[in-house]
Amino acid sequence: QSALTQPASLSGSPGQSITISCAGTSSDVGGGDFVSWYQQHPGKTPKLMIYDVSVRASGVPHRFFGSKSGNTASLTISGLQAEDEAYYYCSSYTNGVIFGGGTKLTVL
Amino acid sequence: EAQVVESGGGLVRPGGSLRLSCVASGFSFSDAWMSWVRRAPGKGLEWLGRIKKKADGGTTEYAAPVKGRFTISRDDSKDTLYLQMDSLKSEDTGVYSCVTGGHYFGAWGQGTLVTVSS
Repeated sequence: QSALTQPASLSGSPGQSITISCAGTSSDVGGGDFVSWYQQHPGKTPKLMIYDVSVRASGVPHRFFGSKSGNTASLTISGLQAEDEAYYYCSSYTNGVIFGGGTKLTVL
Repeated sequence: EAQVVESGGGLVRPGGSLRLSCVASGFSFSDAWMSWVRRAPGKGLEWLGRIKKKADGGTTEYAAPVKGRFTISRDDSKDTLYLQMDSLKSEDTGVYSCVTGGHYFGAWGQGTLVTVSS
């Protein structure tokens, strides 16, 4: 299985909305509802943000929204804040778990 | 708060073996599915495999690159997860992390570095 495809980097200004895409195939993202998203700040371990496509993990603000259409999953962050600057990774489980390459989000 | 701490990494020659351990705290380990994930230098996250809780059969599942070489096991009496790595290759070099969960991962350890080199 190949890694899921994410944009290497994205940027946005405080208050804006951004969407991180996670492209897969019908054998992974499109084949089930087990997509999850992780946020990782430098020097920290990844933090689960979204699981099962759209379920927010405990304590995750409603500004974070997960969705999926066909073979592509998305993480939308609305009302961007400085602390949202981090790396974001998607993953999908169908026949095993695969991860995306990660997206570096910069808050301008 | 759920915490996991890995140990056992180090330098090993190609073809050698190593066993990693992961001690869990802050949650009911025996009720948790657990996985191992690694990150090779300059590369992304790679899931290695998982083990179900005993109540769900305690069965394991592995990623293709490590199937037949790596074995995941657990000792619920010690709240400890293991990763036995045999026939190690240079491409197995990386930071190995223990994570809670089977298809999404709630708690991550800092990881332990495994270097496979002659």
